[in-house]
Amino acid sequence: DAMVIQNPRYQVTQFGKPVTLSCSQTLNHNVMYWYQQKSSQAPKLLFHYYDKDFNNEADTPDNFQSRRPNTSFCFLDIRSPGLGDAAMYLCATSKSGTYEQYFGPGTRLTVT
Amino acid sequence: RKEVEQDPGPFNVPEGATVAFNCTYSNSASQSFFWYRQDCRKEPKLLMSVYSSGNEDGRFTAQLNRASQYISLLIRDSKLSDSATYLCVVKSGGYNKLIFGAGTRLAVHP
Repeated sequence: DAMVIQNPRYQVTQFGKPVTLSCSQTLNHNVMYWYQQKSSQAPKLLFHYYDKDFNNEADTPDNFQSRRPNTSFCFLDIRSPGLGDAAMYLCATSKSGTYEQYFGPGTRLTVT
Repeated sequence: RKEVEQDPGPFNVPEGATVAFNCTYSNSASQSFFWYRQDCRKEPKLLMSVYSSGNEDGRFTAQLNRASQYISLLIRDSKLSDSATYLCVVKSGGYNKLIFGAGTRLAVHP
């Protein structure tokens, strides 16, 4: 089945220790997104790729970076995680011209 | 003011009840509207799009009021499996950017 896969599902990192979350998709969608969702809050868009074009949200901290080496993969790098970065990180994809976004199962990040 | 606002709930209803959620959005230029469903500790999934003329999908009916900038979701004959958080979503701006509300939690009990 075509899908969006996120690894790992659970990640524990130490305060200040860089961490990378990964996302892959078999849908061949050209748009990929990273969201941060905290408990009882809306998913908050961090950035998205439209093909190779990177689009950062104005309020996304510099601590968050992303890479998209090819259509299928996208990475979220948190350079120096703080306690406030503990959250669920959701990857999503969509096909240009359509609005439905397909989400991966998320990576729950804990910062100790 | 948040771009998309929802009553967080929870709405606690018995099986078989009819329940309605509303959502308001602030950007009058918003173009497309959706309801997503999110189960506890899972990812959001598209429930239905919301069309200007209103639309129905089985027990679910969505309505859009552009003049008042609100969207509604009506669930008839609630099932236990309907228990989830319902996210109001608005397409705003370029590309495929979606703005999510924080969700309304529904708990259906026997």
